[in-house]
Amino acid sequence: GQNIDQPTEMTATEGAIVQINCTYQTSGFNGLFWYQQHAGEAPTFLSYNVLDGLEEKGRFSSFLSRSKGYSYLLLKELQMKDSASYLCAVTISYGGSQGNLIFGKGTKLSVKP
Amino acid sequence: GAVVSQHPSWVICKSGTSVKIECRSLDFQATTMFWYRQFPKQSLMLMATSNEGSKATYEQGVEKDKFLINHASLTLSTLTVTSAHPEDSSFYICSALGFGSSTQYGYTFGSGTRLTVV
Repeated sequence: GQNIDQPTEMTATEGAIVQINCTYQTSGFNGLFWYQQHAGEAPTFLSYNVLDGLEEKGRFSSFLSRSKGYSYLLLKELQMKDSASYLCAVTISYGGSQGNLIFGKGTKLSVKP
Repeated sequence: GAVVSQHPSWVICKSGTSVKIECRSLDFQATTMFWYRQFPKQSLMLMATSNEGSKATYEQGVEKDKFLINHASLTLSTLTVTSAHPEDSSFYICSALGFGSSTQYGYTFGSGTRLTVV
C-alpha cells in the first residue's frame, strides 16, 4: 500500500523558521509536491521535487531524499498568514506517465505572535 | 494561468436527492480528472480518476453507482452524488491534468464544493 506520514500539528512563532517533515513508502515514485491549504479552500501549489536536493523559492524551500523516502518543507520568516495546513503529496508513476496525487494527512501549522 | 472552475461552491440538499458537481477547464484541455473528498481535519482522499471519453476508475471502497463520474469532453467533468445521505457531507475537489496547461507540473485544482446533506 501507499503510506505518507507527516506530523499532525505544529506551532511556531512569527518571524521564526519551521521545518515540516514528510516520509513516504509508495509503490513507484514520480515526484513529491507540497501544497498549502486554508480551511475550506482548495490546495495551492508550493513546490515540486523530483531529484534529490533542495529547491528554494523565496521564504519556502523543499528538500527531497529519494533513497530515504524523505522530504521536508522549510518556511522562513514566518508570518501569521502562514497558519494553514501543509500537505505532502506523491505522484506514482504508471508506465511512465503522470499518475494521481497521493496525499498525506497534512500538518496543521499555527503561527503565534 | 491554468484555471479549473468548479461549481457549485457549496450546496445543501435533502437526504435521498442527487447533487451534480461540475469542473470545467477554462484555458486548457483536461485529459485526466481526479476527484477527491476531504472530511473535516483530514487529508484529501482520491475517489476516482477519469480520462476523457472512457469510464472512470474508482478507488477501493468508493461506490461507482453512488458517485457517478462523467468526462464526456476535454473541458468538462462532472461528479453526481446520487441518493445523498448525511454521511456524504464533505468537501469535494477536482484536479485536472492536461495539455496546454500553464500550471507548473500540470495539476490544476478546482476551488472545491462543500456538500451538506440534511
